Amino acid sequence: EAEVAQSPRYKITEKSQAVAFWCDPISGHATLYWYRQILGQGPELLVQFQDESVVDDSQLPKDRFSAERLKGVDSTLKIQPAELGDSAMYLCASSPMTSGGHNEQFFGPGTRLTVL
Amino acid sequence: RKEVEQDPGPFNVPEGATVAFNCTYSNSASQSFFWYRQDCRKEPKLLMSVYSSGNEDGRFTAQLNRASQYISLLIRDSKLSDSATYLCVVTWGGATNKLIFGTGTLLAVQP
Repeated sequence: EAEVAQSPRYKITEKSQAVAFWCDPISGHATLYWYRQILGQGPELLVQFQDESVVDDSQLPKDRFSAERLKGVDSTLKIQPAELGDSAMYLCASSPMTSGGHNEQFFGPGTRLTVL
Repeated sequence: RKEVEQDPGPFNVPEGATVAFNCTYSNSASQSFFWYRQDCRKEPKLLMSVYSSGNEDGRFTAQLNRASQYISLLIRDSKLSDSATYLCVVTWGGATNKLIFGTGTLLAVQP
């Protein structure tokens, strides 16, 4: 069964350092999402890509977060500099398409970030 | 008001019990509705979609009341393996159809 791959699974860093997370969606899935899930809360969308284009980054803290999906396949989410409040699970998801109806989103295992 | 509201629980129930979770959403333009299941320290996985006519999948029944902006999930004959967090999810409308997640309801089924 095809899966969304993420790495690393765990990351511990000190505040003010830079961190990067990688996601490889299910092959053929045009839409890729990055979510942040703080302990005890539901996932919150940070950014959504349709192929290589950003279609929603309204909740992305752009002063420190950036995301790219240069070839419309895998994606990288970066935080620079990391802050204590960034400690969370970062989830990547993919789906076959977006507008015109809803397609199930398939989530990767996540990257658990701890900022010290 | 939160976009999607759920009782965080925990709901502690014995095996074999019937348990119901409720959820309300604030955006009347929401078009699609789901329940996702999330095991401890794992990723969310789709449990079932929710339709206006109501739908059932084995021991699970989901219902939607658009007029009241209310969604429910009923689990009959609870199993130990049902222990998880159940996330109520709605689409926010618009071209991107992004998902809005509730905070989740924690279910613990006791032997």
